[in-house]
Amino acid sequence: GENVEQHPSTLSVQEGDSAVIKCTYSDSASNYFPWYKQELGKRPQLIIDIRSNVGEKKDQRIAVTLNKTAKHFSLHITETQPEDSAVYFCAAPSAGSQGNLIFGKGTKLSVKP
Amino acid sequence: GAGVSQTPSNKVTEKGKYVELRCDPISGHTALYWYRQSLGQGPEFLIYFQGTGAADDSGLPNDRFFAVRPEGSVSTLKIQRTERGDSAVYLCASSAQVGDYNEQFFGPGTRLTVL
Repeated sequence: GENVEQHPSTLSVQEGDSAVIKCTYSDSASNYFPWYKQELGKRPQLIIDIRSNVGEKKDQRIAVTLNKTAKHFSLHITETQPEDSAVYFCAAPSAGSQGNLIFGKGTKLSVKP
Repeated sequence: GAGVSQTPSNKVTEKGKYVELRCDPISGHTALYWYRQSLGQGPEFLIYFQGTGAADDSGLPNDRFFAVRPEGSVSTLKIQRTERGDSAVYLCASSAQVGDYNEQFFGPGTRLTVL
């Protein structure tokens, strides 16, 4: 089945710096890669996703890149702000699934003012 | 419109007891998913429904866990003979359709504590 590895587990940056979180997946048939943000005690919320037919997608300060050959994808946050502090999860579809996701273990991002 | 809701928000029970956790998906969403999230971990898939039927229950840890969605809307996750290891946040999500590319909207979760 699908296996998703995420790193780093914690990341601390200064406000205004960039943050990069990386994930690898095992199932070459996976075709959809969402990223979720979870603030302390809150529900996970989708912040960006990418399909396997594109290599990069941007939404304001957030971007995701996908390398299908290497089976990895990354989240890039530019000009970080304190409100970006949260746990970020990458995910990929379970092999042969109809949408149920396999999540990484999460990256706790701390943005220091 | 209203998002996914879950009740109760917190549930404390004793080992060996039976619990029910409820999920109200976004109106009109046909797909409903249950995940379990332990401290410091990502959500772990349990089961999902397409309409009223459980399309994939491969994530249920054992036969103490069962879920229903009798009318294709509200779902109930049922745990029999609870064990301390069942303690976690149980998350429900729904999406407009089954399949990839369909954003899953999560509920706030039910924090289950088994003493």
